[in-house]
Amino acid sequence: QLQLQESGPGLVKPSETLSLTCTISGGSISSSGYYWGWIRQPPGKGLEWIGSIYYSGNTYYNPSLKSRVTISVDTSKNQFSLKLTSVTAADTAVYYCARHSTVTTFVFAYWGQGTLVTVSS
Amino acid sequence: QSALTQPRSVSGSPGQSVTISCTGTSSDVGGYNYVSWYQQYPGKAPKLIIYDVSQRPSGVPNRFSGSKSGNTASLTISGLQAEDEADYYCSSYAGSYTLVFGGGTKLTVL
Repeated sequence: QLQLQESGPGLVKPSETLSLTCTISGGSISSSGYYWGWIRQPPGKGLEWIGSIYYSGNTYYNPSLKSRVTISVDTSKNQFSLKLTSVTAADTAVYYCARHSTVTTFVFAYWGQGTLVTVSS
Repeated sequence: QSALTQPRSVSGSPGQSVTISCTGTSSDVGGYNYVSWYQQYPGKAPKLIIYDVSQRPSGVPNRFSGSKSGNTASLTISGLQAEDEADYYCSSYAGSYTLVFGGGTKLTVL
């Protein structure tokens, strides 16, 4: 059974860079046809797609966050990562990693449990 | 790219049917048959319940159904059960390899 697990600091200072990693078990990040994405959810609010990556390194970003986001993949570790720069309190959220099908259908069938990241000094 | 519009809340009694709407534009919901729906319990990750407008993943009860008309997609839950009380989110492909979610709807089973 495919499992995804987010990891990283739970507290980040304003203006600094948020860094998270998603570790995949029970499957390979290099599986053909699957993409790996990040989604976030501010406390009490809705979901927001941050971006996605294919194992080859092709990336796709939410236009509203594109200038601050970098998603990368490490196939040797079966992991992919998120970096979000210049964070503010508005970036406080539960961050989920998930696997989806194509970059048109975006069917997120597998999700990590999520990790809360708080931006505060 | 704006969030899709969903009602903040809906409610229904056990056994009844409820419908949750998800309104977008011709650039997202209306332009593609790539609408998904997710169910989320408090403190849990979302769970896929409908994809490609009306397709149900294996294991999802057939009480859940999806449809689309123009720029509005809908999720209908028939034979409402207490366990259906949760938050529901729609999502849609928005062109240029991007995705947009709805604001979410809280379903209360009375």
